[in-house]
Amino acid sequence: AQSVTQPDIHITVSEGASLELRCNYSYGATPYLFWYVQSPGQGLQLLLKYFSGDTLVQGIKGFEAEFKRSQSSFNLRKPSVHWSDAAEYFCAVLEGNDMRFGAGTRLTVKP
Amino acid sequence: NAGVTQTPKFRILKIGQSMTLQCTQDMNHNYMYWYRQDPGMGLKLIYYSVGAGITDKGEVPNGYNVSRSTTEDFPLRLELAAPSQTSVYFCASTRTRGGDEQFFGPGTRLTVL
Repeated sequence: AQSVTQPDIHITVSEGASLELRCNYSYGATPYLFWYVQSPGQGLQLLLKYFSGDTLVQGIKGFEAEFKRSQSSFNLRKPSVHWSDAAEYFCAVLEGNDMRFGAGTRLTVKP
Repeated sequence: NAGVTQTPKFRILKIGQSMTLQCTQDMNHNYMYWYRQDPGMGLKLIYYSVGAGITDKGEVPNGYNVSRSTTEDFPLRLELAAPSQTSVYFCASTRTRGGDEQFFGPGTRLTVL
């Protein structure tokens, strides 16, 4: 079975600074990849997804992610973080009907 | 559209009790899912359904049962609650399997004492 690894449990950045959240996966074929965001007490909301084609995908709220097959990575980036971006972020991979999620990265934004 | 709704929002059970977590979606989605979320563990798939009358196990199905008699509803049943089932449960739905966005409900926080 495939796995999804988010190496960073918790990241703190200053407001206005750039952000990169890491995601690595193990899967034989080109997977369907997703980033979701979860605000406290809420369900998950899709930020962006990658199936094929251009390896740099744009999402909502100014986020983007780049698929790198050679590194089995799908890192999430944002050039300038806003205080409202504080949340938990989940990388996920779709295998058949089974969506596998990483353990999540909690983002704290300092004023 | 209300999207995906879940009831109850919170529940405390005693060991050995049973309960049903309700999930309803009004988007006419074929695919529905139940996840549990434990701290630091991300989401784990419990069961999923690809349409009315069709369900299948996910990664962590033990201790749970599901049914799907209609397109809209996908209840999750806990028969003999155990402390290990203390978690936050999320229901989700998607139109097709092929990577469509999963829409999540707000979650049910369950504590088993």
